[in-house]
Amino acid sequence: QVQLQESGPGLVKPSETLSLTCAVSGGSISNYYWSWIRQPPGKGLEWIGFIYYGGGTDYHPSLKSRVTMSLDTSRSQFSLRLSSATAADTAVYYCARGHYGDYGLSGLYYYLDVWGKGTTVIVSS
Amino acid sequence: QSVLTQPPSASGTPGQRVTIVCSGSSSNIGSNSVNWYQQLPGTAPRLLIYRNNQRPSGVPDRFSGSKSATSASLAISGLQSDDEADYYCAAWDDSLSGHVVFGGGTKLTVL
Repeated sequence: QVQLQESGPGLVKPSETLSLTCAVSGGSISNYYWSWIRQPPGKGLEWIGFIYYGGGTDYHPSLKSRVTMSLDTSRSQFSLRLSSATAADTAVYYCARGHYGDYGLSGLYYYLDVWGKGTTVIVSS
Repeated sequence: QSVLTQPPSASGTPGQRVTIVCSGSSSNIGSNSVNWYQQLPGTAPRLLIYRNNQRPSGVPDRFSGSKSATSASLAISGLQSDDEADYYCAAWDDSLSGHVVFGGGTKLTVL
C-alpha cells in the first residue's frame, strides 16, 4: 500500500521560500507523475504542478515563475519550493501520485490516486 | 474563480439519488477526461471517479460518472449519511501549455 507523507516548516515568513518534501513509502517512485496540490483555508483545491519520475516538470501557469519541483529517487521523495511567499500562499499542501496518459481522440487524462494527509503552511511574520 | 463550474451546494435525503454537474470548456472537459474527488471533513481528497466513468477499487458502485460535450456529471444513488462531503471535479486543460484545473467544489448535505 503506497503512502505519502508531507513534511516541512509550518510557518514561513513573507518573501521567504516555502519548502516541502513528500516521502513515498510502500511502492516505487518510478513511472508516475508526482503532484503538489494546495487548499487555502475554507477554499477549494488548486493544482501546483507535477514532476515526472524522469525529471520533467509541469507547473500551473499562475505559479510557474515561483515554483521549483525536484525528485530524489534514491530517497523516494520529491520536493516543492515556492519562492517569494505571501499570505495568499497560506494553505494545506498535499502531495499526490498521478497517472498521465493520452488516449488519442479521447484526449488526455491525469488523475491523482494516492494522496498524503496534507500539511498546513502559514505565511506570516 | 474556478475554471470548472460546479454548484456550491447540493442536498438529498437518505436513499435518494443526487447528481452534481461540472461545466467546462473545449480546452478541458471538451477535450480530455474528467475525474472526481471526494473530501470528507478534515481529511485529504480521495479519488472517486477517473477517466470520466471509472471507479477505483474500493469505491462503491453507487457512485458513477459521465461526460457529454463540455460537461460532466457525478451521480450518487442510495444516498447515505457518510456521503456528506465536498466533491470536486478536475480535468487536464490544454491551454497555456497544459495544466490541471479543478472545479470550485460542491458541498453535499445529507438531510
